Amino acid sequence: DAGVIQSPRHEVTEMGQEVTLRCKPISGHNSLFWYRQTMMRGLELLIYFNNNVPIDDSGMPEDRFSAKMPNASFSTLKIQPSEPRDSAVYFCASKDREYQPQHFGDGTRLSIL
Amino acid sequence: AQSVTQPDIHITVSEGASLELRCNYSYGATPYLFWYVQSPGQGLQLLLKYFSGDTLVQGIKGFEAEFKRSQSSFNLRKPSVHWSDAAEYFCAVGATSGTYKYIFGTGTRLKVLA
Repeated sequence: DAGVIQSPRHEVTEMGQEVTLRCKPISGHNSLFWYRQTMMRGLELLIYFNNNVPIDDSGMPEDRFSAKMPNASFSTLKIQPSEPRDSAVYFCASKDREYQPQHFGDGTRLSIL
Repeated sequence: AQSVTQPDIHITVSEGASLELRCNYSYGATPYLFWYVQSPGQGLQLLLKYFSGDTLVQGIKGFEAEFKRSQSSFNLRKPSVHWSDAAEYFCAVGATSGTYKYIFGTGTRLKVLA
């Protein structure tokens, strides 16, 4: 089975630009998670969806961040406008049933200049 | 509130030596517990999980972990470390009901000396 697929793997853009990160969860998984990883703050949960519905977005740092899951096989995390402090590795993870672990994608390394 | 503590930020061991990475958790009931490994430039890969039953769980790559309720610990062990085990290791705790969120520890970076 294909794992969680994230795109792009790397993104370099200038401050103020809109950034869109994409995630395709494992087929059949009904929960999806967006994380951010930095040296200073470690791994932070930004938002998670269950059955395409956002359940907890308390980790979204600011209104500049938004996430959508229009269907079971696709999610986006958008930053608009981007700032240098948004530079990090962003991970997407998915899981199926309640007692199963989360499976992570390889991440998107985002650099905002 | 749930929390996970990995007291060792860095650990260095020689190849062939045994390894134990510590993880302590705080949770009101029996949690779900996980160990993940992250190699440079990669995502987190699941090593093993504990949900219930036998408190000694076996994982991939020769790793095992033991759940000790009395000590609120879930330490990861490997009897003989290989150079390819150099990576960062994360312990995570999940709730047994109500939410699918995990709380991750801050990670332990393992260095292996040849």
